[in-house]
Amino acid sequence: AQSVTQLGSHVSVSEGALVLLRCNYSSSVPPYLFWYVQYPNQGLQLLLKYTSAATLVKGINGFEAEFKKSETSFHLTKPSAHMSDAAEYFCAVSGSFNKFYFGSGTKLNVKP
Amino acid sequence: EAEVAQSPRYKITEKSQAVAFWCDPISGHATLYWYRQILGQGPELLVQFQDESVVDDSQLPKDRFSAERLKGVDSTLKIQPAELGDSAMYLCASSLEAGMNTEAFFGQGTRLTVV
Repeated sequence: AQSVTQLGSHVSVSEGALVLLRCNYSSSVPPYLFWYVQYPNQGLQLLLKYTSAATLVKGINGFEAEFKKSETSFHLTKPSAHMSDAAEYFCAVSGSFNKFYFGSGTKLNVKP
Repeated sequence: EAEVAQSPRYKITEKSQAVAFWCDPISGHATLYWYRQILGQGPELLVQFQDESVVDDSQLPKDRFSAERLKGVDSTLKIQPAELGDSAMYLCASSLEAGMNTEAFFGQGTRLTVV
């Protein structure tokens, strides 16, 4: 069975500060992991995905995530937050038949 | 850029009424998903199609919800009768195939309010 846990339903950072959003996964098979972003009243947009080719994955808008098997983690980071990064972020793992399991989300607030 | 199309974007309906949502996936995408997202939560899979066949509908409340993808292209999700607890965002997504490394592309969603 696959599942993800996102620690912290709300994260607040200052503009220019480091963004760190946490995701831990559980998977009975080698996981395929994803980060999505959602703006209010919008669908989900893919930020990045882990394909097992490299443990450090770079995505759009300056985000990256590192896959750590020993910690079963796939945390999302960005060195310098921008006001436009304020949104909700979802970690997901895919299982059999490409069924996606989403975390409960982390709302990122960026203070000026 | 190809997108998943959904309509309507917003829907307000009275409880006990019927409501339907439509989704047109990205051309060539064999897998289509319907998700329900309650405010403050992550998306929850309602039904997954591979072409015109249902792969997973274990979380679909079948007494009131139905979904079809007759020609393996666009899809309709219906609720009858709607209940107050059905108020949520309904998201449609598609992916190229059922492989485990293919991301899902999401539509803009339909925000349903049941009054």
